Amino acid sequence: AQSVTQLDSHVSVSEGTPVLLRCNYSSSYSPSLFWYVQHPNKGLQLLLKYTSAATLVKGINGFEAEFKKSETSFHLTKPSAHMSDAAEYFCVVSNTNAGKSTFGDGTTLTVKP
Amino acid sequence: SQTIHQWPATLVQPVGSPLSLECTVEGTSNPNLYWYRQAAGRGLQLLFYSVGIGQISSEVPQNLSASRPQDRQFILSSKKLLLSDSGFYLCAWSRGLARDTQYFGPGTRLTVL
Repeated sequence: AQSVTQLDSHVSVSEGTPVLLRCNYSSSYSPSLFWYVQHPNKGLQLLLKYTSAATLVKGINGFEAEFKKSETSFHLTKPSAHMSDAAEYFCVVSNTNAGKSTFGDGTTLTVKP
Repeated sequence: SQTIHQWPATLVQPVGSPLSLECTVEGTSNPNLYWYRQAAGRGLQLLFYSVGIGQISSEVPQNLSASRPQDRQFILSSKKLLLSDSGFYLCAWSRGLARDTQYFGPGTRLTVL
């Protein structure tokens, strides 16, 4: 069994300030974890993924996430928000169970000028 | 490089009418294919996935069906649409299952009136 919880449905930051989007997961097996971004009326784009290599994962557009097994967390961060970062972000957990990826409900990031 | 297409981009249909949404992938062979639905303000719900021609797994019982008549073609259908079928439909592909990155199409916005 697996599940993912995105702890904030909405996050608002000012341009140039840090971004933190929180994600907790549960998985019966060693998980793979992903963050995707979705701009309005668009498909999803992969930001980064963790697959049991380095626990600190760097992605596109300056985003990174840290896998913390003890806390079952995979929070997404960025040091300085840009207006173009405003979007919906999804945390996803997958394991070896064929075809099973579980998406979180999403976090809407708003960036204020 | 690989690309994924979905059409139509938008669709408005009356209740009780049939539905056919198409997804095609270029630049890869034997992909795993997925249909997701995203209701307004919600996360993604996996509807169907396919590991090969004619092989369809259904995740959620409903009035929708899926078919894979060719290796890189995935079709979502309904004989009679319900109001609750409204949403944003996303097709995705991956090389493997579960732990592999999924690549999403641009989506189809379906409104059932």
